[in-house]
Order: sequence, then structure tokens, then C-alpha cells
Amino acid sequence: DAKTTQPNSMESNEEEPVHLPCNHSTISGTDYIHWYRQLPSQGPEYVIHGLTSNVNNRMASLAIAEDRKSSTLILHRATLRDAAVYYCILSSLRGSNYKLTFGKGTLLTVNP
Amino acid sequence: NAGVTQTPKFQVLKTGQSMTLQCAQDMNHEYMSWYRQDPGMGLRLIHYSVGAGITDQGEVPNGYNVSRSTTEDFPLRLLSAAPSQTSVYFCASRRQGAGNQPQHFGDGTRLSIL
Repeated sequence: DAKTTQPNSMESNEEEPVHLPCNHSTISGTDYIHWYRQLPSQGPEYVIHGLTSNVNNRMASLAIAEDRKSSTLILHRATLRDAAVYYCILSSLRGSNYKLTFGKGTLLTVNP
Repeated sequence: NAGVTQTPKFQVLKTGQSMTLQCAQDMNHEYMSWYRQDPGMGLRLIHYSVGAGITDQGEVPNGYNVSRSTTEDFPLRLLSAAPSQTSVYFCASRRQGAGNQPQHFGDGTRLSIL
């Protein structure tokens, strides 16, 4: 199964942009790149996903490298509520279904 | 819109006891799944279902049973609880189809086995 590699932790200051990197060098052509975040004592929350092109939504932007071997989640203005573990995940076709494989994620700390 | 609802939120069991973790979703999603999360780890897939009457094993299915009699409900059964099953359990649902469907997670059941 294709895996992702993320830094264990990152720090940011409030109201500054945050760029969370992810490497997925063994990604296959049918894998979608998903990002989820998990706040303390809560279930994971969907943030954004993409296949080949960069994506924007109300929460974040996703920049995907041209070779698809890496991606970056961009939070444009970090707030204290963005402090969470961020998971970069590949949604991979296994058999006839797509499945998510979670890694350990990046713990984002936002300083006031 | 409740989304994915898990009950109970907390549970303490003794080794050898059985119990059922409940999961219900009101989004008419075909695909439902159970994950466990251990300290400092990501989530690992236990079992999943692509529709009523259809279930399959994930990465770590041993010690757990599931059934799917309705679209809405996907209970997870621990047949004989063991301390190694102490974990936080998350249920999730999504539309079936391509890998671009986001998953919706419940808030988890925190289970301790003594």
C-alpha cells in the first residue's frame, strides 16, 4: 500500500499561513490525496482532497506536485482552533473499494 | 443533521466480557467502517461494509464481529474482550464510489478493558 510521510510536529503563529508538507512517493495513478484533521477528543474531520490539480475550499488549499509525489496543505491564516493533528492520507483502490490508510500525522501547534 | 452517532462514549469492561458498540448515520451513506486508534497512532481499519448485508475485514479484524442489517446502523461486537482491545473506536461513513468521497466520523467510543 502506498504510504505517506509527514513531519511529526510543526508550530505556527496565530494569523500566519501554515504549510503542512506530505510525501507520497509511491502514489499510484488511482490514489486520491485526502487531508483530515483531528482535534483533541474528537473524531477525524475531513479537510480537503485532490487527485492532480490544486484545490481550494473554505477550510484550506491543497497544492499537489506535478509528479504527485508530494503535496502541501495550506491554512491561509491559522487560528487557535486549527491546533490539531493533521493527517495526509491516500485513498487507495484495494479490490473493488477505496480505503484510507492513516499514518501518525503532524501535530500542529498554534501560538497566540 | 446528526451525522454519525456513536454510543456509548465511554465503557469499561472486564476481560472476557462481550459488548456491542453502536454506530448510526443519517446521511444514507452506503459505505460504513470501524477504526481503532491507539495512543500516538493513526487509525487502523477493523471492518467495513459497502451496503446492507455486505461486510468485509480490514487490517485488524481479529476479536471483532460486525453485521449490517440496515443502511443506517453498523454495530461492532467484541466477543470476548481482551486488554489489547483497550482503544478509542471510531465509526465512519461515506458515499460509495470513487476515492474522492470524504468520510464522516463519529466522536468515538473510549473503551477500557481491565
